Amino acid sequence: DGGITQSPKYLFRKEGQNVTLSCEQNLNHDAMYWYRQDPGQGLRLIYYSQIVNDFQKGDIAEGYSVSREKKESFPLTVTSAQKNPTAFYLCASSRGEVRTDTQYFGPGTRLTVL
Amino acid sequence: AQKVTQAQTEISVVEKEDVTLDCVYETRDTTYYLFWYKQPPSGELVFLIRRNSFDEQNEISGRYSWNFQKSTSSFNFTITASQVVDSAVYFCALSEPPSNDYKLSFGAGTTVTVRA
Repeated sequence: DGGITQSPKYLFRKEGQNVTLSCEQNLNHDAMYWYRQDPGQGLRLIYYSQIVNDFQKGDIAEGYSVSREKKESFPLTVTSAQKNPTAFYLCASSRGEVRTDTQYFGPGTRLTVL
Repeated sequence: AQKVTQAQTEISVVEKEDVTLDCVYETRDTTYYLFWYKQPPSGELVFLIRRNSFDEQNEISGRYSWNFQKSTSSFNFTITASQVVDSAVYFCALSEPPSNDYKLSFGAGTTVTVRA
């Protein structure tokens, strides 16, 4: 089955810790994205990557970092510099051939800072 | 400035009623794309439809239909004969490739509750 997987589903972090959220896709998509969702709000773009070894900041990149060493994987690290990291994090991917290709989403990771 | 406005925060209906979700967008581009996604309680966003700015035909897919009106910058979504499984948060989103490369601008979402 083709799709996007995210792990873990739930993640708890102590203040001051860095944590890494996993995102893997087997859709052979070139582009991958990370979004943050807060209660009652739409999604906001954190980072995106159009090809391997390249990524761009989105609207709320501060306190986050990413890497794109493989086409299938786009992990997101939430650093201690992120002031309010408790949120629902969604990873997405698209073919990337056309700028407006449909983005398909993973099941999400809910991060809670204790 | 908010590019996508979903004025309805919550809608509650009884099963078999029709429900219409409003979406108003703002863009200066002539080429743009509009999307609707469904987010059930499990959390994953499910793609429903993609429409480009040059195609103003309304679309129907089963119990779902979409009404695109460029004159009023609206892309409304109707669920006919709603079912309990339609209970979810629905997001409208806008893509503006000329000015906003690769980015989707999401509305705040409308929570639909269908009661049996």
